[in-house]
Amino acid sequence: ETGVTQTPRHLVMGMTNKKSLKCEQHLGHNAMYWYKQSAKKPLELMFVYNFKEQTENNSVPSRFSPECPNSSHLFLHLHTLQPEDSALYLCASSQDEGYNEQFFGPGTRLTVL
Amino acid sequence: SQQGEEDPQALSIQEGENATMNCSYKTSINNLQWYRQNSGRGLVHLILIRSNEREKHSGRLRVTLDTSKKSSSLLITASRAADTASYFCATDSTPGNTPLVFGKGTRLSVIA
Repeated sequence: ETGVTQTPRHLVMGMTNKKSLKCEQHLGHNAMYWYKQSAKKPLELMFVYNFKEQTENNSVPSRFSPECPNSSHLFLHLHTLQPEDSALYLCASSQDEGYNEQFFGPGTRLTVL
Repeated sequence: SQQGEEDPQALSIQEGENATMNCSYKTSINNLQWYRQNSGRGLVHLILIRSNEREKHSGRLRVTLDTSKKSSSLLITASRAADTASYFCATDSTPGNTPLVFGKGTRLSVIA
């Protein structure tokens, strides 16, 4: 693995549930990212954090709420999701936002019923 | 959009053969990267080529970049069953540092 871990690896939730995805990187990087990967669609960037500050919010619905308490941890809080939100959610990190090579975690497979 | 578009969408070859995947993009870039993704897993960075470079090698991988045609190719030589995966190109545009934009990927199957 690449030094980026994600938990849980699989999550099934109802539309009224509240859950959180967790990402941790052990690489000493300053930038962290959330991506959504749906079948037959390009990888979609959701959020970018650099030095704990959000620098990119790619028009993501408010039912997705990110949190970055420090440069090593990133959360994605989920509430009142829709079935179309079912996807693989990938976390990534890079040395900083301007350093382009990104290291990805294994992803959380989310199913919304 | 500067989104990279990989071609073909799917490729099936025999073990030992070479695999070539192409990527086209629309705007000027700083760098172009190739990533691999095994089914249902995270992406793994393979190689980065800068806009002023034309060719780069890493092991069995060879990447070319033609900025005049806004295209790149990834060649995997002497393919192995373990190379079976999806391959994505990702670009960031000029000026400044912009988030990477990924294409839809090429699904490569290497048959033993």
